[in-house]
Amino acid sequence: DAGITQSPRHKVTETGTPVTLRCHQTENHRYMYWYRQDPGHGLRLIHYSYGVKDTDKGEVSDGYSVSRSKTEDFLLTLESATSSQTSVYFCAIRGNTEAFFGQGTRLTVV
Amino acid sequence: GENVEQHPSTLSVQEGDSAVIKCTYSDSASNYFPWYKQELGKRPQLIIDIRSNVGEKKDQRIAVTLNKTAKHFSLHITETQPEDSAVYFCAASASNDYKLSFGAGTTVTVRA
Repeated sequence: DAGITQSPRHKVTETGTPVTLRCHQTENHRYMYWYRQDPGHGLRLIHYSYGVKDTDKGEVSDGYSVSRSKTEDFLLTLESATSSQTSVYFCAIRGNTEAFFGQGTRLTVV
Repeated sequence: GENVEQHPSTLSVQEGDSAVIKCTYSDSASNYFPWYKQELGKRPQLIIDIRSNVGEKKDQRIAVTLNKTAKHFSLHITETQPEDSAVYFCAASASNDYKLSFGAGTTVTVRA
């Protein structure tokens, strides 16, 4: 497996609290992505990064922010968690072609 | 932005039969089309990909075809086996932005 890890793997949080998910890579890949996976919707892009401090929005970016201060780390922050953000979150990394996914983070907002 | 549509959403096939999943994309700049397989509770993993300068690519029982004019591409699985049961995702990406957009997925069930 490619060197990509997500933390935490599982989290339960309360509505209105901020939450940060971390994606760490050891492959020195330029591109990193955050997706959420929900039944019937597949993998929807939240934000992505094409370099340190270079990020852009995906199709479902409202309520989320990201930061990439180092090549190896891409952080996803839910500024004020809502129940609609209960989902499985996947990070992915990519060099020139193939994207590799992390193990996923199951987030439950109660 | 890129919009990828995938059909069907579910597919049930008899073991040994073929399975076909179809995707369409909207951005004519897209030039890279991967397919991912996700088994229950696991992460998506690449099974095959194709670039826009190629019309077809095969890897054992799996093949992908691309029609750039019609903006659609398909995954073909022949001689299906129980271990082919999974969710399959198509995706599209353009070299000018590297955004990777996915279809909604197809749940394939292979009946013994």
